[in-house]
Formats: sequence, C-alpha cells, structure tokens
Amino acid sequence: AQSVSQHNHHVILSEAASLELGCNYSYGGTVNLFWYVQYPGQHLQLLLKYFSGDPLVKGIKGFEAEFIKSKFSFNLRKPSVQWSDTAEYFCAVREYGNKLVFGAGTILRVKS
Amino acid sequence: NAGVTQTPKFQVLKTGQSMTLQCAQDMNHEYMSWYRQDPGMGLRLIHYSVGAGITDQGEVPNGYNVSRSTTEDFPLRLLSAAPSQTSVYFCASSLRDRGPGTEAFFGQGTRLTVV
Repeated sequence: AQSVSQHNHHVILSEAASLELGCNYSYGGTVNLFWYVQYPGQHLQLLLKYFSGDPLVKGIKGFEAEFIKSKFSFNLRKPSVQWSDTAEYFCAVREYGNKLVFGAGTILRVKS
Repeated sequence: NAGVTQTPKFQVLKTGQSMTLQCAQDMNHEYMSWYRQDPGMGLRLIHYSVGAGITDQGEVPNGYNVSRSTTEDFPLRLLSAAPSQTSVYFCASSLRDRGPGTEAFFGQGTRLTVV
C-alpha cells in the first residue's frame, strides 16, 4: 500500500516569505497526487491535483506543485505567503479504486 | 449547491453509547468514504463504498459500521463508543471514474468526543 510522508509538521513564516512543503510517496507507477488545505474550523478543500502531463501544476490562490517522478515527490510551493494562508496542508495519493492515502499534514502559520 | 453534508457538527458521547454520523451528498457520486482525522496522523480511511449496496473496510474499521442503501447517503455507526474514537470525522464523495475529474469533496466534519 502507498504511504505519504510530509517532512515538516509545523512551519512558521512571515508574510511575503516563500513556501515549500515537501511530500514524498512510497512507490511509483501511474500516480494521482493531490494537495488539500484545511483552514481553521473548515473542511478540506482541493488546492491542486496531478494526473498526467506537465509536471508543474498550478492550483488556486497562487499555489503550485511539481511532480518529480524520479524522486517520488510532489512538493507544494508558493512564492509569497499571506496571513490568510495559515492552515493545515495535506498531501494525498490516490490508491487503487478511489481511496486517498494522506500524509500527516503540515500546519503552516503565517505571521503578519 | 449543498455538496457533502454531515450531521451533527459536534457530539459528546459516554463510553459504551452508540450513535450514527450522517453523511449525504447531492452530486450523484458513486464513491463515498469516511475518514477520521487525528493530530499528527493525517486522515485515515475507515470505510468506503463504491456504490449502493457495496461497502468495504479501510485502514481503521474496527468499532465502526456502515451501510449504503442509497447513492446519496452513507451513515457511519459507532457501535459502542470508546475514548479512542474521539476524533474529527470527515465524509467524502467522488465520481468513481479515475480520470482528471475525479476529485474528492469533503463534508464539514463531525467533532466527536467520547468521555
């Protein structure tokens, strides 16, 4: 079964700093990858997804992620974070069927 | 546009009590699932269903029961609540197809405390 590792559990940044959150999955082949965000007190919302094609995927709110097949990685990036990006971020990989396997999550706090 | 609706939003149970968490979706999605979210562990799959009448176990099924009598509804039953089941529960739904449109939509969550 797939597993997903998110390298940082807590990240604290100042506004306008650049963000990169690491995500690695355990084995290759054809993968469907997702980043979800959970703002305080809210449900999970999709930030972006990768199925095939261009390995650089652009999502909502200025986020992007790069799929690197050789490294089994799908890191999330944003050039300049805002206070409103404070949230928990989850990387997920689709397993057989429609099952999603999630990483442990990264809590991002942006200081204003 | 309701999406995925979960009830209740909050619940406190005593050890040994039973209850049902409700989940309904209005997007005609075949696939529905239940996850629990615990600090530092992300979301873990409890049970899932690929269509009405078909359910299967996920990663952490013990102590939970599900049924899928209609496409819209996928209730999660706690048979005899234990403190270890204190968690936030999320219901999700998606189309069964694995193509680019197969995004999972999540409900608002149910925060359950077992005392």
